[in-house]
Amino acid sequence: DADVTQTPRNRITKTGKRIMLECSQTKGHDRMYWYRQDPGLGLRLIYYSFDVKDINKGEISDGYSVSRQAQAKFSLSLESAIPNQTALYFCATSDPEVGKAFFGQGTRLTVV
Amino acid sequence: QKEVEQDPGPLSVPEGAIVSLNCTYSNSAFQYFMWYRQYSRKGPELLMYTYSSGNKEDGRFTAQVDKSSKYISLFIRDSQPSDSATYLCAAFKAAGNKLTFGGGTRVLVKP
Repeated sequence: DADVTQTPRNRITKTGKRIMLECSQTKGHDRMYWYRQDPGLGLRLIYYSFDVKDINKGEISDGYSVSRQAQAKFSLSLESAIPNQTALYFCATSDPEVGKAFFGQGTRLTVV
Repeated sequence: QKEVEQDPGPLSVPEGAIVSLNCTYSNSAFQYFMWYRQYSRKGPELLMYTYSSGNKEDGRFTAQVDKSSKYISLFIRDSQPSDSATYLCAAFKAAGNKLTFGGGTRVLVKP
């Protein structure tokens, strides 16, 4: 089984709909992240969490929210999806000392 | 200006050639440096990490860090078509747990 699992892998949704992307990890790390990847823009940090009670905004958090349900679970929500949120979304967890990150397989989200 | 800059490529080389990838960074507080490999439709996977200036070798891969010039390099010797992927450099500083990625360089190794 993968260390970081994302569901769904692909999703097409309509503008204005609420959608949740889920992530679970078996690495036992406290730190979890949500990134967005767009062609030419690389990985951009949306939200990150150092533990269940600690949630922090990243560089592009507008239009997104997160929930850290447990050490192993971190979900990303789009309250009202818009087309420019069409992207590849990655969940990751990291080693706290040297920053080694472990990524899920990604969720390809299309907002029409 | 981005804190970690990387040429997007694409970089096309013949099989067996040396692939040379580079990044520059602006924040001298970065302590650890990493290279990730990302195949199409997959998540990035950690390839190599280094802490100090100098070289680190792992099989066909060599990572190089020059902190004085804020330069990070990855060399792939005897490149194979299976090395075709996007390579992302990343820099990390423990204070604030900040991991910053470059934009990635797409590499194509032609048989």
